[in-house]
Amino acid sequence: GAGVSQSPRYKVAKRGQDVALRCDPISGHVSLFWYQQALGQGPEFLTYFQNEAQLDKSGLPSDRFFAERPEGSVSTLKIQRTQQEDSAVYLCASNTMIGDGTEAFFGQGTRLTVV
Amino acid sequence: KQEVTQIPAALSVPEGENLVLNCSFTDSAIYNLQWFRQDPGKGLTSLLLIQSSQREQTSGRLNASLDKSSGRSTLYIAASQPGDSATYLCASSDSNYQLIWGAGTKLIIKP
Repeated sequence: GAGVSQSPRYKVAKRGQDVALRCDPISGHVSLFWYQQALGQGPEFLTYFQNEAQLDKSGLPSDRFFAERPEGSVSTLKIQRTQQEDSAVYLCASNTMIGDGTEAFFGQGTRLTVV
Repeated sequence: KQEVTQIPAALSVPEGENLVLNCSFTDSAIYNLQWFRQDPGKGLTSLLLIQSSQREQTSGRLNASLDKSSGRSTLYIAASQPGDSATYLCASSDSNYQLIWGAGTKLIIKP
């Protein structure tokens, strides 16, 4: 596609509900990243994929967070038993390859509100 | 652990002025430094990327500089326009892929 696409754009979840956030990266991009951005803050790294391999998940805040990219393209970030502190914008980015010095391209994000 | 700080948190200037946004980082062993723009309800747009071996990058009215030894980067915006109003974020990459972000500077250009 022309850019990184994320869906849904907005999600309101009741506390305790499970949610799934989708990211369609730019076609052919090897690297995929998820970031969490709280209101008024910069994004914080969650996890990184190279193709289907999750090479770094050190930023995932708890075991309620799970990400996958089974075929090396579309990725899903799942949050189980959502809590109010999970409310944030979740950003997905893709890049051609790590270490080649080019910038990552970001989607518009999914704004999650847990009530 | 790398920390990235942006000052000021907010800035309001009249249209037409030149302005400078500041970004500082604690660990000079960076891979590159990027400046992004974020508009409300929209994603992040990459403005400029400076490799660690470079001193500056330019794109149109934007110029970004990098001084690794002092741990600083600046984004210079010439002849500001109301359309430049947005939040500007800088991010350093120190591991080839993970970006460490500042909290951003919210810029308002008054017509």
